Amino acid sequence: EDQVTQSPEALRLQEGESSSLNCSYTVSGLRGLFWYRQDPGKGPEFLFTLYSAGEEKEKERLKATLTKKESFLHITAPKPEDSATYLCAVQAYSGAGSYQLTFGKGTKLSVIP
Amino acid sequence: DAGVIQSPRHEVTEMGQEVTLRCKPISGHDYLFWYRQTMMRGLELLIYFNNNVPIDDSGMPEDRFSAKMPNASFSTLKIQPSEPRDSAVYFCASSSGARKETQYFGPGTRLLVL
Repeated sequence: EDQVTQSPEALRLQEGESSSLNCSYTVSGLRGLFWYRQDPGKGPEFLFTLYSAGEEKEKERLKATLTKKESFLHITAPKPEDSATYLCAVQAYSGAGSYQLTFGKGTKLSVIP
Repeated sequence: DAGVIQSPRHEVTEMGQEVTLRCKPISGHDYLFWYRQTMMRGLELLIYFNNNVPIDDSGMPEDRFSAKMPNASFSTLKIQPSEPRDSAVYFCASSSGARKETQYFGPGTRLLVL
């Protein structure tokens, strides 16, 4: 069974204080690892897809990295508008046409001005 | 594109009543997913369709839940009869094209069963 564990559950940062969120996973065969951002009362918003160990993706103040067992979402000099819950999900090779995602419970990030 | 559209956005009902949630996927997308999100269990896949055909419904909690996709632009998730433990936020997502593995989510329906 695919499993995704995110840590910490919650993180409070001062504006400008860089940090990282962790996503540990176990999956039979990784097709992709996904990062989503979710604001209160809204649906998850796609951020990144990582496909293989060593891959990195960047978007503004966010950078996602991937190893064979975990992924990190690095936040550089965060701003209050980066406050949200960040969700990690894995997609496994489990048969033709199967694209289901298994999600972690998320890290709630609060950036204080 | 308008994105994935869900209705209603909020639903309050009494235990035992039938609830129908609706979803319109992004035009041209051929995969549609229904998820449920709770504080305790996070985001869980209930069922997904490919080209209007249900592929995997192993996440549907019990027979009280059913989902249909009569055409490429419309899907429903029905709960009959509803129970208080069904209270959650229900999301619909769709994907297609060269990036079919990337899912785009709707705004969700917040369901409260009293």
